Amino acid sequence: EIVMTQSPATLSVSPGERATLSCRASQSVSSNLAWYQQKPGQAPRLLIYGASTRATGIPARFSGSGSGTEFTLTISSLQSEDFAVYYCQQYNNWWTFGQGTKVEIK
Amino acid sequence: EVQLVESGGGLVQPGGSLRLSCAASGFTVSSNYMSWVRQAPGKGLEWVSVIYSGGSTYYADSVKGRFTISRDNSKNTLYLQMNSLRAEDTAVYYCAKVAAADIHFDYWGQGTLVTVSS
Repeated sequence: EIVMTQSPATLSVSPGERATLSCRASQSVSSNLAWYQQKPGQAPRLLIYGASTRATGIPARFSGSGSGTEFTLTISSLQSEDFAVYYCQQYNNWWTFGQGTKVEIK
Repeated sequence: EVQLVESGGGLVQPGGSLRLSCAASGFTVSSNYMSWVRQAPGKGLEWVSVIYSGGSTYYADSVKGRFTISRDNSKNTLYLQMNSLRAEDTAVYYCAKVAAADIHFDYWGQGTLVTVSS
């Protein structure tokens, strides 16, 4: 099983600031990496797939990068609606998720 | 518009059974890969099962032999039959559509809560 490790567990950011979230795979997943956003009481929402392609309707302030084992999700200027938990997911070998990064208001 | 609506969750005793349903609209279930993902209270996401468009089915080791994924093409509905339930199966269960060209999960239902407790 491919283990996905996200860091940090919690990120405290002020509105308007930049947020950088990391995701590491225990073995190469090529670019088969997605990012999801989840707000309390809601289902996950797809943000990024193919490591760097924004899903339909996702604002340009969200960007993804990386390949192989190291990936990054960047939110360029945090808006109030962006405070949530973010999960990475590999789909190179079945599907596994990271444990999540909570982005909270500083 | 793609929509997924789960139902069938509830409280069940350890060792009991439950069947979850996921009614789809806006696309054809049988033409896509469909999956179940669960989330224990306060925890992260765990993939549970997938059914391919051709009908092949696969399961996470944690549920293999106890859960069965299936679909009813006439109702455009996905199912998850859960038997021999354990306390650790307590979670919100989401159905998800697998994207055709790049097998991430592009649409999710709102989830249904399964609680296994005596």
